[in-house]
Amino acid sequence: SQQGEEDPQALSIQEGENATMNCSYKTSINNLQWYRQNSGRGLVHLILIRSNEREKHSGRLRVTLDTSKKSSSLLITASRAADAASYFCATVDLSGTYKYIFGTGTRLKVLA
Amino acid sequence: EADIYQTPRYLVIGTGKKITLECSQTMGHDKMYWYQQDPGMELHLIHYSYGVNSTEKGDLSSESTVSRIRTEHFPLTLESARPSHTSQYLCASSPGTGPYEQYFGPGTRLTVT
Repeated sequence: SQQGEEDPQALSIQEGENATMNCSYKTSINNLQWYRQNSGRGLVHLILIRSNEREKHSGRLRVTLDTSKKSSSLLITASRAADAASYFCATVDLSGTYKYIFGTGTRLKVLA
Repeated sequence: EADIYQTPRYLVIGTGKKITLECSQTMGHDKMYWYQQDPGMELHLIHYSYGVNSTEKGDLSSESTVSRIRTEHFPLTLESARPSHTSQYLCASSPGTGPYEQYFGPGTRLTVT
């Protein structure tokens, strides 16, 4: 199965609220990445956190990483209608294959 | 916006037809990837390439083939399309060095009737 498992699978929030989604992975990592996918489109890279970092911010995004629990979370603050999308975490195998392993995704709905 | 392109964006084709999905990138990336994704579901890696003349099968068994004759071009071919091939196909690329972000094309939505 895919290495990344995301929780919840679907999330509905009111506009202006914060949205938190979680990702768990199984193997050692060099970094963990989060991507957004709007319906019917390709994925867009949002933020990367390295294994020696615990928290990273980018605008309204906050990512945390706990390597001891093999988990990461993505927080979107003050959500907007435009944030409605699917969010995926991903790790990359840097040992040789350079294959990316994506999580199952969290579908975020933002209600007006 | 990433400089990675896919054509066609939408394709409806009959069973048994041969099709080629095009993917090209202008970023000079060595590594390129093809994923299959059903709506709202996870991505499945079907092929990837380390560079020119290098191709590998991914984790999902696929009846498609790929080629990498030029750095910028990574087409995917289905010799005989079947309804089970109906899906979205995403092409991506990444540089050979850090920070290892992947850049995705807009996808091709394939429907086989």
